Amino acid sequence: LAKTTQPISMDSYEGQEVNITCSHNNIATNDYITWYQQFPSQGPRFIIQGYKTKVTNEVASLFIPADRKSSTLSLPRVSLSDTAVYYCLVGDQSFDSARQLTFGSGTQLTVLP
Amino acid sequence: DSGVTQTPKHLITATGQRVTLRCSPRSGDLSVYWYQQSLDQGLQFLIQYYNGEERAKGNILERFSAQQFPDLHSELNLSSLELGDSALYFCASSALGRGASSNEQFFGPGTRLTVL
Repeated sequence: LAKTTQPISMDSYEGQEVNITCSHNNIATNDYITWYQQFPSQGPRFIIQGYKTKVTNEVASLFIPADRKSSTLSLPRVSLSDTAVYYCLVGDQSFDSARQLTFGSGTQLTVLP
Repeated sequence: DSGVTQTPKHLITATGQRVTLRCSPRSGDLSVYWYQQSLDQGLQFLIQYYNGEERAKGNILERFSAQQFPDLHSELNLSSLELGDSALYFCASSALGRGASSNEQFFGPGTRLTVL
């Protein structure tokens, strides 16, 4: 199983860009990198997923270097409502995969006014 | 709203008891996942079902069991409850297995279980 390492917490101010890096040194060839966001007492919510290079959607960008041993979630111009825990997951998308879905400890992002 | 529903929202029970948590996946999703989230353990994957069959097993205790019914709803049964079983239990579903390009999971609002 690919293990992920993220910072436990980060602080930022409103309007700033936030970059959260996840380390996954033993990522496998078939693994994708997925980020989820979780607010207190709510279920996690999918943010973005990628395999290599850069992926962008309406809420975030995901940067993955060529060796894929790390990835960076970038949140542009954060607001107070972006205060949440952010999880990095690594795993394949094989339907028959019996691999566990490990969320890890996540990164608590606190956006300050 | 993710489209995944869970009942009940809250459950308070005593040690030694048995409870059943219910989950209805998003319309059309065949894959259902169960997770446990406690303060000291984070979000732990318990078990996955696909179209009625068990697909993957995580850190699920022997006192816990689950099943997925023909109408695709799923139930998580927790028995001989202990104080340490107090947690938020989430159900998620995904379109994996029916041609989806991503295994994005959609989480329900959770059931908060308190064991006294």
